[in-house]
Amino acid sequence: EVQLVESGGGLVKPGGSLRLSCAASGFTFGTYSMNWVRQAPGKGLEWVSSISSSSSYIYYADSLKGRFTISRDNAKNSLYLQMNSLRADDTAVYYCARAYDFWNGWDYWGQGTLVTVSS
Amino acid sequence: QSALTQPASVSGSPGQSITISCTGTSSDVGDYDHVSWYQQHPGKAPKLMIYDVSNRPSGVSHRLSGSKSGNTASLTISGLQPEDEADYYCSSYTSTSTLVFGGGTKLTVL
Repeated sequence: EVQLVESGGGLVKPGGSLRLSCAASGFTFGTYSMNWVRQAPGKGLEWVSSISSSSSYIYYADSLKGRFTISRDNAKNSLYLQMNSLRADDTAVYYCARAYDFWNGWDYWGQGTLVTVSS
Repeated sequence: QSALTQPASVSGSPGQSITISCTGTSSDVGDYDHVSWYQQHPGKAPKLMIYDVSNRPSGVSHRLSGSKSGNTASLTISGLQPEDEADYYCSSYTSTSTLVFGGGTKLTVL
Protein backbone atom coordinates (compact mmCIF):
# COMPACT_ATOMS: atom_id res chain seq x y z
CA GLU A 1 0.00 0.00 0.00
CA VAL A 2 1.34 3.39 -1.01
CA GLN A 3 1.75 5.72 1.96
CA LEU A 4 3.06 9.24 2.27
CA VAL A 5 3.44 10.64 5.77
CA GLU A 6 4.40 14.26 6.31
CA SER A 7 5.98 15.54 9.50
CA GLY A 8 7.82 18.55 10.81
CA GLY A 9 5.03 21.07 10.91
CA GLY A 10 4.32 23.27 13.88
CA LEU A 11 4.31 26.79 15.22
CA VAL A 12 7.18 29.03 14.14
CA LYS A 13 7.81 32.76 14.54
CA PRO A 14 7.99 35.06 11.52
CA GLY A 15 11.48 34.94 10.06
CA GLY A 16 12.06 31.44 11.39
CA SER A 17 12.81 28.20 9.60
CA LEU A 18 11.25 24.77 9.43
CA ARG A 19 12.08 21.54 7.65
CA LEU A 20 9.25 19.33 6.52
CA SER A 21 9.70 15.65 5.77
CA CYS A 22 7.61 13.20 3.79
CA ALA A 23 8.24 9.51 4.42
CA ALA A 24 7.24 7.28 1.53
CA SER A 25 6.47 3.57 1.56
CA GLY A 26 4.76 0.95 -0.55
CA PHE A 27 6.38 1.91 -3.85
CA THR A 28 9.79 2.39 -5.44
CA PHE A 29 10.32 5.95 -4.26
CA GLY A 30 13.40 6.58 -6.39
CA THR A 31 11.47 6.17 -9.64
CA TYR A 32 8.84 8.85 -9.05
CA SER A 33 8.85 12.62 -9.18
CA MET A 34 7.51 14.22 -6.03
CA ASN A 35 5.80 17.46 -5.14
CA TRP A 36 4.83 19.81 -2.33
CA VAL A 37 1.45 21.55 -2.38
CA ARG A 38 0.07 23.81 0.33
CA GLN A 39 -3.37 24.97 1.37
CA ALA A 40 -3.92 27.99 3.57
CA PRO A 41 -6.84 27.73 6.02
CA GLY A 42 -10.10 27.94 4.11
CA LYS A 43 -8.29 28.55 0.81
CA GLY A 44 -7.48 26.59 -2.32
CA LEU A 45 -4.52 24.47 -3.32
CA GLU A 46 -1.23 26.16 -4.18
CA TRP A 47 1.68 24.40 -5.87
CA VAL A 48 4.96 24.87 -3.99
CA SER A 49 7.69 22.80 -5.62
CA SER A 50 8.48 19.69 -7.66
CA ILE A 51 11.53 17.45 -7.93
CA SER A 52 12.36 14.73 -10.42
CA SER A 53 13.20 11.19 -9.40
CA SER A 54 16.96 11.74 -9.49
CA SER A 55 16.81 15.37 -8.31
CA SER A 56 18.04 16.50 -11.72
CA TYR A 57 15.07 18.78 -12.23
CA ILE A 58 13.73 21.08 -9.53
CA TYR A 59 11.06 23.73 -9.89
CA TYR A 60 9.52 26.26 -7.52
CA ALA A 61 6.55 28.57 -7.51
CA ASP A 62 7.82 32.03 -8.42
CA SER A 63 6.53 33.50 -5.17
CA LEU A 64 8.67 31.12 -3.10
CA LYS A 65 11.98 31.10 -4.87
CA GLY A 66 14.93 31.74 -2.65
CA ARG A 67 13.14 30.92 0.59
CA PHE A 68 12.15 27.26 0.10
CA THR A 69 14.36 24.36 -0.95
CA ILE A 70 13.08 20.95 -2.00
CA SER A 71 15.28 17.87 -1.76
CA ARG A 72 15.02 14.11 -1.52
CA ASP A 73 16.99 11.14 -0.26
CA ASN A 74 16.10 8.09 -2.30
CA ALA A 75 18.07 5.81 0.02
CA LYS A 76 15.81 6.92 2.88
CA ASN A 77 12.61 7.07 0.81
CA SER A 78 12.15 10.63 1.96
CA LEU A 79 11.21 14.02 0.52
CA TYR A 80 12.05 17.28 2.26
CA LEU A 81 11.10 20.94 2.17
CA GLN A 82 13.40 23.42 3.88
CA MET A 83 11.49 26.62 4.56
CA ASN A 84 13.38 29.78 5.57
CA SER A 85 12.36 33.37 6.28
CA LEU A 86 8.85 32.22 7.03
CA ARG A 87 6.01 34.73 6.87
CA ALA A 88 2.47 34.73 8.18
CA ASP A 89 1.13 33.99 4.70
CA ASP A 90 3.11 30.73 4.65
CA THR A 91 0.65 29.40 7.22
CA ALA A 92 -0.93 26.37 5.59
CA VAL A 93 -1.29 22.63 5.51
CA TYR A 94 1.59 21.27 3.46
CA TYR A 95 0.98 18.11 1.43
CA CYS A 96 3.48 15.92 -0.35
CA ALA A 97 2.21 14.17 -3.46
CA ARG A 98 3.56 11.48 -5.76
CA ALA A 99 3.55 12.25 -9.47
CA TYR A 100 2.30 9.63 -11.92
CA ASP A 101 3.56 12.02 -14.54
CA PHE A 102 5.82 14.94 -13.66
CA TRP A 103 3.31 17.71 -14.23
CA ASN A 104 -0.01 15.96 -13.81
CA GLY A 105 -1.68 12.96 -12.37
CA TRP A 106 -0.49 13.34 -8.80
CA ASP A 107 -1.95 10.08 -7.66
CA TYR A 108 -1.07 9.73 -3.98
CA TRP A 109 -1.10 12.42 -1.33
CA GLY A 110 -0.11 12.49 2.30
CA GLN A 111 -2.45 13.63 5.03
CA GLY A 112 -0.65 16.96 5.32
CA THR A 113 1.24 18.75 8.08
CA LEU A 114 0.17 22.13 9.44
CA VAL A 115 2.65 24.98 9.52
CA THR A 116 1.61 28.03 11.52
CA VAL A 117 3.71 31.18 11.31
CA SER A 118 2.82 33.52 14.14
CA SER A 119 4.45 35.58 16.83
CA GLN B 1 1.18 32.90 -12.69
CA SER B 2 -2.51 33.56 -12.07
CA ALA B 3 -4.76 30.80 -10.82
CA LEU B 4 -6.99 29.07 -13.31
CA THR B 5 -10.58 30.31 -13.18
CA GLN B 6 -13.24 28.00 -11.79
CA PRO B 7 -16.79 28.82 -10.67
CA ALA B 8 -16.91 29.19 -6.91
CA SER B 9 -19.83 26.82 -6.61
CA VAL B 10 -22.08 24.53 -8.60
CA SER B 11 -25.00 22.43 -7.47
CA GLY B 12 -27.25 19.68 -8.72
CA SER B 13 -29.78 17.16 -7.56
CA PRO B 14 -29.07 13.46 -7.21
CA GLY B 15 -29.07 11.78 -10.61
CA GLN B 16 -28.43 15.00 -12.50
CA SER B 17 -25.27 15.96 -14.37
CA ILE B 18 -23.07 18.96 -13.68
CA THR B 19 -20.06 20.48 -15.40
CA ILE B 20 -17.25 22.44 -13.77
CA SER B 21 -15.21 24.67 -16.03
CA CYS B 22 -11.55 25.59 -15.64
CA THR B 23 -10.39 28.50 -17.76
CA GLY B 24 -6.77 29.32 -18.33
CA THR B 25 -4.76 30.84 -21.15
CA SER B 26 -2.79 29.81 -24.21
CA SER B 27 0.21 29.50 -21.88
CA ASP B 28 -1.29 26.71 -19.84
CA VAL B 29 -4.58 24.88 -20.46
CA GLY B 30 -4.71 25.96 -24.09
CA ASP B 31 -1.28 24.70 -25.00
CA TYR B 32 -0.80 21.55 -22.91
CA ASP B 33 -2.76 18.42 -22.14
CA HIS B 34 -1.27 18.20 -18.64
CA VAL B 35 -4.61 19.01 -17.03
CA SER B 36 -5.73 17.19 -13.90
CA TRP B 37 -8.75 17.32 -11.64
CA TYR B 38 -8.75 16.65 -7.90
CA GLN B 39 -11.57 16.06 -5.45
CA GLN B 40 -11.20 17.15 -1.85
CA HIS B 41 -13.58 16.38 0.97
CA PRO B 42 -13.44 18.59 4.09
CA GLY B 43 -10.40 17.87 6.22
CA LYS B 44 -9.04 15.34 3.75
CA ALA B 45 -6.21 15.26 1.26
CA PRO B 46 -6.98 15.83 -2.42
CA LYS B 47 -7.72 12.78 -4.55
CA LEU B 48 -6.83 12.49 -8.24
CA MET B 49 -9.93 12.09 -10.39
CA ILE B 50 -8.76 12.95 -13.94
CA TYR B 51 -5.33 13.35 -15.54
CA ASP B 52 -4.13 14.18 -19.05
CA VAL B 53 -7.40 16.10 -19.60
CA SER B 54 -9.65 13.06 -19.83
CA ASN B 55 -8.05 9.96 -18.32
CA ARG B 56 -9.46 8.34 -15.21
CA PRO B 57 -7.21 6.54 -12.74
CA SER B 58 -8.29 3.04 -11.87
CA GLY B 59 -10.97 3.05 -9.21
CA VAL B 60 -12.46 6.41 -10.19
CA SER B 61 -16.10 6.24 -11.19
CA HIS B 62 -16.99 6.22 -14.89
CA ARG B 63 -19.54 8.91 -14.03
CA LEU B 64 -16.67 11.40 -14.16
CA SER B 65 -15.28 12.63 -17.46
CA GLY B 66 -12.92 15.37 -18.54
CA SER B 67 -12.55 17.36 -21.72
CA LYS B 68 -10.87 20.45 -23.10
CA SER B 69 -11.70 23.06 -25.71
CA GLY B 70 -9.31 25.91 -26.35
CA ASN B 71 -8.25 27.48 -23.07
CA THR B 72 -11.01 25.82 -21.04
CA ALA B 73 -11.02 22.38 -19.48
CA SER B 74 -14.17 20.83 -18.06
CA LEU B 75 -15.08 18.14 -15.57
CA THR B 76 -18.49 16.53 -15.95
CA ILE B 77 -20.08 14.38 -13.28
CA SER B 78 -23.16 12.45 -14.37
CA GLY B 79 -25.67 10.69 -12.14
CA LEU B 80 -24.80 12.88 -9.16
CA GLN B 81 -24.56 11.07 -5.85
CA PRO B 82 -24.40 12.51 -2.33
CA GLU B 83 -20.76 11.40 -1.97
CA ASP B 84 -19.81 13.62 -4.91
CA GLU B 85 -20.31 16.67 -2.70
CA ALA B 86 -16.81 18.08 -2.27
CA ASP B 87 -14.42 20.72 -3.53
CA TYR B 88 -12.93 20.18 -6.98
CA TYR B 89 -9.68 21.67 -8.26
CA CYS B 90 -8.19 21.68 -11.73
CA SER B 91 -4.48 22.04 -12.40
CA SER B 92 -2.35 22.65 -15.47
CA TYR B 93 1.27 22.73 -16.47
CA THR B 94 2.38 26.15 -17.72
CA SER B 95 4.84 27.42 -20.30
CA THR B 96 7.16 28.68 -17.55
CA SER B 97 7.62 25.15 -16.17
CA THR B 98 5.37 25.71 -13.23
CA LEU B 99 2.04 24.27 -12.16
CA VAL B 100 -1.07 26.29 -11.52
CA PHE B 101 -4.25 25.24 -9.73
CA GLY B 102 -7.73 26.58 -10.17
CA GLY B 103 -9.35 28.43 -7.31
CA GLY B 104 -11.60 25.48 -6.55
CA THR B 105 -15.30 24.77 -6.99
CA LYS B 106 -17.61 23.67 -4.20
CA LEU B 107 -20.08 21.08 -5.48
CA THR B 108 -23.30 20.83 -3.53
CA VAL B 109 -25.64 17.89 -4.07
CA LEU B 110 -29.08 19.20 -3.24
